[in-house]
Amino acid sequence: GQQVMQIPQYQHVQEGEDFTTYCNSSTTLSNIQWYKQRPGGHPVFLIQLVKSGEVKKQKRLTFQFGEAKKNSSLHITATQTTDVGTYFCAVLQGGKLIFGQGTELSVKP
Amino acid sequence: SQTIHQWPATLVQPVGSPLSLECTVEGTSNPNLYWYRQAAGRGLQLLFYSVGIGQISSEVPQNLSASRPQDRQFILSSKKLLLSDSGFYLCAWSVGDSYGYTFGSGTRLTVV
Repeated sequence: GQQVMQIPQYQHVQEGEDFTTYCNSSTTLSNIQWYKQRPGGHPVFLIQLVKSGEVKKQKRLTFQFGEAKKNSSLHITATQTTDVGTYFCAVLQGGKLIFGQGTELSVKP
Repeated sequence: SQTIHQWPATLVQPVGSPLSLECTVEGTSNPNLYWYRQAAGRGLQLLFYSVGIGQISSEVPQNLSASRPQDRQFILSSKKLLLSDSGFYLCAWSVGDSYGYTFGSGTRLTVV
C-alpha cells in the first residue's frame, strides 16, 4: 500500500523563523491531506491537495503538491508560538486515511 | 453542525481487564467511522473502519475489536487488555473522499 515518509521528525525554531515539513512517496498520490495536532490534542484537518503542482495558502501556511504528485510540503512563514504542535501529512488509500509519522514543531519565544 | 463525542477522556485499566470505548457522531448520516491509535510521540495507526451498520474492517490483528450497533455509534472493545494496548485512541468520521476526517478528542488509555 501507499506509504508516505515525512521529514524532519522534529524541528526547533526561534519565533519568527520559517518552518517547512516534507512528505514523500515512492508512488503517485491521488491526493494528500495535512493535519495539525496540538500538544495533548487531537488532529485537526487543515487542507487537501489533489492537483499536480497545486499551491494553497492559509494565512502564514503554504501547502504545495509536487508536479509528479509524489511529494508535498507545508511551509509556515514567521512562526509563532501558536504554531507549536505536530504536523501530519496523510493519504487516502482505499477509502482509508494513512498518516505519515509527523513533524513535531517547537517554537522558542 | 456535525459533532463527534468520545469518552472517557482518560482511563487507567489493569492488565487483563475488559475495555469499552464509545464514539458517537451527531449531525450527519451514514458516516464512515474510524478508530485510530497513537502511541506516545508517534504517528496514527488505523485500527478499524466502518462504512455502515455492522460493517467492520480490521487493519491490524490484535486483541481489540470494534462494533457499530447504530449508524452513528462506534465502539472499541477488548476482552483482556495488554500493557501494549496503552495509547491515545482516537475516533474519526468522514463523508466521502473530498473532505478531511474529523477527530474526536480522544481517550488516553494506560494499562497498568
